[in-house]
Amino acid sequence: AQSVTQPDIHITVSEGASLELRCNYSYGATPYLFWYVQSPGQGLQLLLKYFSGDTLVQGIKGFEAEFKRSQSSFNLRKPSVHWSDAAEYFCAVGNYNQGGKLIFGQGTELSVKP
Amino acid sequence: NAGVTQTPKFQVLKTGQSMTLQCAQDMNHEYMSWYRQDPGMGLRLIHYSVGAGITDQGEVPNGYNVSRSTTEDFPLRLLSAAPSQTSVYFCASRQVDRPEQYFGPGTRLTVT
Repeated sequence: AQSVTQPDIHITVSEGASLELRCNYSYGATPYLFWYVQSPGQGLQLLLKYFSGDTLVQGIKGFEAEFKRSQSSFNLRKPSVHWSDAAEYFCAVGNYNQGGKLIFGQGTELSVKP
Repeated sequence: NAGVTQTPKFQVLKTGQSMTLQCAQDMNHEYMSWYRQDPGMGLRLIHYSVGAGITDQGEVPNGYNVSRSTTEDFPLRLLSAAPSQTSVYFCASRQVDRPEQYFGPGTRLTVT
């Protein structure tokens, strides 16, 4: 079955500290992978995407993610967190052959301590 | 360029009432989708469309209808609202040859 797992429901980090949010997927075909961010009461904003090629991808707001096929993972990282990064983060997989269907993880809520 | 817009932002319905959630996009995207977001469950696909006149069911289609008469608009209809449909609803669109989707701001629906 196709699925996305985000093992951490809630993470708290101090401002200026590094961040890694975990994402594991189970998908039969070659996945397209995404990270979205949702601020409270807002829609989802695309942070970054992986289609092919270099397995380390850069996104907006200083985020990056690394695709590791052997571990079926696509973890999100940021070297220094800012208070404005507090939000909920969603990992998703998608494929051309499903009419655009995205399969989302449950989300990880990030809190930032001053 | 407004992107994906949704109306209303908030709605309260009584059980059994019907309503339509509106979604429009001005990016000329062929593909459009509706998702619902529930706590601890991420987003789940309700219905999607790959072009005007073509729709298909997603993961949780029961209780919802859609139609796509134009490229720009993709309304979601609740025929007889139930408390289980209390959720936040997001509309999304994408280009045919690009799998990333762009989301609207959402409609928060409460059914009492």
